[in-house]
Amino acid sequence: AQSVTQPDIHITVSEGASLELRCNYSYGATPYLFWYVQSPGQGLQLLLKYFSGDTLVQGIKGFEAEFKRSQSSFNLRKPSVHWSDAAEYFCSNYKLTFGKGTLLTVNP
Amino acid sequence: DAGVIQSPRHEVTEMGQEVTLRCKPISGHNSLFWYRQTMMRGLELLIYFNNNVPIDDSGMPEDRFSAKMPNASFSTLKIQPSEPRDSAVYFCASSLTGGLGDTQYFGPGTRLTVL
Repeated sequence: AQSVTQPDIHITVSEGASLELRCNYSYGATPYLFWYVQSPGQGLQLLLKYFSGDTLVQGIKGFEAEFKRSQSSFNLRKPSVHWSDAAEYFCSNYKLTFGKGTLLTVNP
Repeated sequence: DAGVIQSPRHEVTEMGQEVTLRCKPISGHNSLFWYRQTMMRGLELLIYFNNNVPIDDSGMPEDRFSAKMPNASFSTLKIQPSEPRDSAVYFCASSLTGGLGDTQYFGPGTRLTVL
């Protein structure tokens, strides 16, 4: 079955530090991959998506993600985290299968 | 645009009662999705519609769950009878075409508690 896996349930970083959230996918062909963010009590909001072409994708709120076929990964990154980035982050594929999410805590 | 609208935002009911969740997609969007989110199972797709027609309902847990989309601007998810294990946050989302790379826009969710 096509799936996505987020290995980290909870990550804590300090404000201003860099961030990388991991996502691994299982699919043979080039996948369609997405990153969403969910703030407390809110629905999910799309950060970025990848279909093909340039493997480094830019999204909203200063986030980017890199598709690496050799590692079956689509990790989300941000060079400097802000306190407002504290939320839960979900990776998903085109089959609308979501990872279990990674909760990000930002320390002042 | 008002975004995807869901009602009610919170619902508390007793086991055995019928529950109806409502969703109004973004105007002009042709696809609508219902999801359920729990701590144990994460976010699961229940069913999705394209042009008001159910395309894939393989995620609907059992016959107690049913969904309808009578027109392009309204959908319901009904649980009858409800059980405590149905307690979850239910999200509705819509997208323009439902295509592979189409962006989904999520509503704020309905938090359902079945006592």
